[in-house]
Amino acid sequence: GQQLNQSPQSMFIQEGEDVSMNCTSSSIFNTWLWYKQDPGEGPVLLIALYKAGELTSNGRLTAQFGITRKDSFLNISASIPSDVGIYFCAGRGSYSGAGSYQLTFGKGTKLSVIP
Amino acid sequence: DGGITQSPKYLFRKEGQNVTLSCEQNLNHDAMYWYRQDPGQGLRLIYYSQIVNDFQKGDIAEGYSVSREKKESFPLTVTSAQKNPTAFYLCASITTDTEAFFGQGTRLTVV
Repeated sequence: GQQLNQSPQSMFIQEGEDVSMNCTSSSIFNTWLWYKQDPGEGPVLLIALYKAGELTSNGRLTAQFGITRKDSFLNISASIPSDVGIYFCAGRGSYSGAGSYQLTFGKGTKLSVIP
Repeated sequence: DGGITQSPKYLFRKEGQNVTLSCEQNLNHDAMYWYRQDPGQGLRLIYYSQIVNDFQKGDIAEGYSVSREKKESFPLTVTSAQKNPTAFYLCASITTDTEAFFGQGTRLTVV
């Protein structure tokens, strides 16, 4: 099946620092999604990307859909303590048909912020 | 408000007991999923359903069962055959032109 490699697995950063994480795939995706999971909660969607090359921001978060459609990155600027959590990338292969329901998830990046 | 609801939030199971986790959505989404998450780990797919009365095994289906009698509901039963059921269980739903939405999760503990 499709595989997503998400890196790094974990990061410890100082409050105020910028963070970068990425996902790469052996297959092409038509949609890239980034989720954040707070401890003990379900993942919440942060950013959705639909077009190769697309760069989208949501506050301090910026994500890009790689031009090859096989990768995506997420940047967080000026980190704060509430950024702590696990960040997941997910790729979606098709726009229509049964394949459009299939999401492939990365294994997550666990972010710790030191005040 | 539209959303996806899991219950209960916490569940305790005795050895050899079957337990059922509830997942309900009012988003009119076609597809629903169950994932298992172990501490510090990613999401592993247990079962999914793309249409009522049909479902497919995911990567770790052994010891679990599901039903999809209504579009809104996709309950997961953790059977006594699942030898290591302690985990965080997440339900999600999706349709063709939306992102996946997750429930709040159920933490299952064997006592």
